[in-house]
Amino acid sequence: GAVVSQHPSWVICKSGTSVKIECRSLDFQATTMFWYRQFPKQSLMLMATSNEGSKATYEQGVEKDKFLINHASLTLSTLTVTSAHPEDSSFYICSARDRRTGVYDTQYFGPGTRLTVL
Amino acid sequence: DQQVKQNSPSLSVQEGRISILNCDYTNSMFDYFLWYKKYPAEGPTFLISISSIKDKNEDGRFTVFLNKSAKHLSLHIVPSQPGDSAVYFCAASGDQGAQKLVFGQGTRLTINP
Repeated sequence: GAVVSQHPSWVICKSGTSVKIECRSLDFQATTMFWYRQFPKQSLMLMATSNEGSKATYEQGVEKDKFLINHASLTLSTLTVTSAHPEDSSFYICSARDRRTGVYDTQYFGPGTRLTVL
Repeated sequence: DQQVKQNSPSLSVQEGRISILNCDYTNSMFDYFLWYKKYPAEGPTFLISISSIKDKNEDGRFTVFLNKSAKHLSLHIVPSQPGDSAVYFCAASGDQGAQKLVFGQGTRLTINP
């Protein structure tokens, strides 16, 4: 149980275009999903917290208008990188909070999406 | 302000021996701690967790110890296997009920045959 998928696993796009990444919880309902970014040899940096049916909460320094997050259902959240530039190239990872664990927050992660902006 | 710290960027252990990965935290409001394993170009895989009301949790070859007074936790893997070679992240949550996890920098574990 507690499987999270991401699509696509990798994407190459031209500068100025927008890219959408999907995150799905396959066997559980996730009222909360998280989006992270990881630079090479660094830790995971939380970008935003996404709650089903409400606006995402962004971490300090993350541009809301550039990284659009939609959490339309209990099993799907999307991250859209708008007007992508080469500096947006990174490894994007989503996670979903499994409420079956009770009070504590065990997050299960997707496999990640490698974005390369040319 | 690094609230969760893994001071060893790398660790090398012989196959069959015990691997001990350490993690320190500064925020006394954290009440839940997790360990994740990560391979390159993949998402982290949940390994084991512990709540602040316990000092030890065991799952197969993996045991996590929590020392609240020292704000320190450790992950023991015994016996270590070549497939355990990966980057290990500790994470903490619970500050003022916050849902988000705070991650350490990670420790790269290499198991030598």
